[in-house]
Amino acid sequence: GESVGLHLPTLSVQEGDNSIINCAYSNSASDYFIWYKQESGKGPQFIIDIRSNMDKRQGQRVTVLLNKTVKHLSLQIAATQPGDSAVYFCAEKRRDDKIIFGKGTRLHILP
Amino acid sequence: DGGITQSPKYLFRKEGQNVTLSCEQNLNHDAMYWYRQDPGQGLRLIYYSQIVNDFQKGDIAEGYSVSREKKESFPLTVTSAQKNPTAFYLCASSRGKGTNEKLFFGSGTQLSVL
Repeated sequence: GESVGLHLPTLSVQEGDNSIINCAYSNSASDYFIWYKQESGKGPQFIIDIRSNMDKRQGQRVTVLLNKTVKHLSLQIAATQPGDSAVYFCAEKRRDDKIIFGKGTRLHILP
Repeated sequence: DGGITQSPKYLFRKEGQNVTLSCEQNLNHDAMYWYRQDPGQGLRLIYYSQIVNDFQKGDIAEGYSVSREKKESFPLTVTSAQKNPTAFYLCASSRGKGTNEKLFFGSGTQLSVL
């Protein structure tokens, strides 16, 4: 479950490099996973999703990898741009239809 | 334009007062969700509804109440029993179970205590 009081971890990446954001999920019965991007003061925006019967899915400049053995999810962003600067959240859908979010990672783009 | 509308954008609550946050969607989605976000933290699930006239508690439902009388509306009431209500509240919707479960979010309501 969530831990109250923890600050978001931060990842700093040079512009043009690839970014990898990691997420550990808690429930082995979860069957659907989503990555969201949130800019300050706004609601989260959908980036990419993946079902538990897949281990990789690619979008435009983004790839999601799912490792069910260790309950790990990652988001890879290719050729990171200044507009990618935001907080990124993973989310899992559990068997009871709850969609639970991870703690998030703040991505800083260095010029 | 189709989407989710949350209102108001900013809301102030006095001690002992109940306040209601509005969430309306015209996406014809079956499922709707309420999340709370504290500064620098993730989203925590308050309540969710998979279908009209039915809803379930999330992880932090105490001090909150909801109703789902219409498919397009899922208002959240922050009651006086919620002792620390200051937060950013986010509403979301999706087509629902077994279909496209991707959540679409509103722009949020910032609630503060006077």
